[in-house]
Amino acid sequence: DAGVIQSTRHEVTEMGQEVTLRCKPISGHDYLFWYRQTMMRGLELLIYFNNNVPIDDSGMPEDRFSAKMPNASFSTLKIQPSEPRDSAVYFCASSGGNNEQFFGPGTRLTVL
Amino acid sequence: AQSVTQLDSHVSVSEGTPVLLRCNYSSSYSPSLFWYVQHPNKGLQLLLKYTSAATLVKGINGFEAEFKKSETSFHLTKPSAHMSDAAEYFCVVSFSGGYNKLIFGAGTRLAVHP
Repeated sequence: DAGVIQSTRHEVTEMGQEVTLRCKPISGHDYLFWYRQTMMRGLELLIYFNNNVPIDDSGMPEDRFSAKMPNASFSTLKIQPSEPRDSAVYFCASSGGNNEQFFGPGTRLTVL
Repeated sequence: AQSVTQLDSHVSVSEGTPVLLRCNYSSSYSPSLFWYVQHPNKGLQLLLKYTSAATLVKGINGFEAEFKKSETSFHLTKPSAHMSDAAEYFCVVSFSGGYNKLIFGAGTRLAVHP
């Protein structure tokens, strides 16, 4: 099993640009989660999906953030426009419904 | 409301000595409890989990944790620390509320000295 895949480990962009982070969950898992980790705020849940449907997006910080899950094997988290304070490590995780989540390696986003 | 408190932000031990990372939780429901480990520049890896079976849970790499309902605690222990144990450890609570939302503690950074 390849685990949760976040193929981009580091992403650097300039303020005002659009940035899209990508995630492939573990095959067969029906829950997908997006987290953000910063030194100041720790690990925060941004949004999660069940069967490709967004269930709870209360953690999404602003309208600049959006997430989609067009199918069971792919999800994106988009920031438009990006700001320096969005710099963080963004983790994707998936779960098969038993409360155990498997995390990807994360994408470190730097907004200049 | 559900919450989790890790009582120490940093713990430092010598190699070969015991490790104790403390965690207290608050949950109105029957909780599931987890410990995750994060090595530098890596994702989070599940160490162990408690889901209402045996109160003493054994995990990977020699770690174990004991669920104590009366103390609302789920402390992580290891008899003998290894240099490779240096990492950040997160205590996590979930509850049987019908979905998979996890609530993370602030983390404890474990340093292991030779």
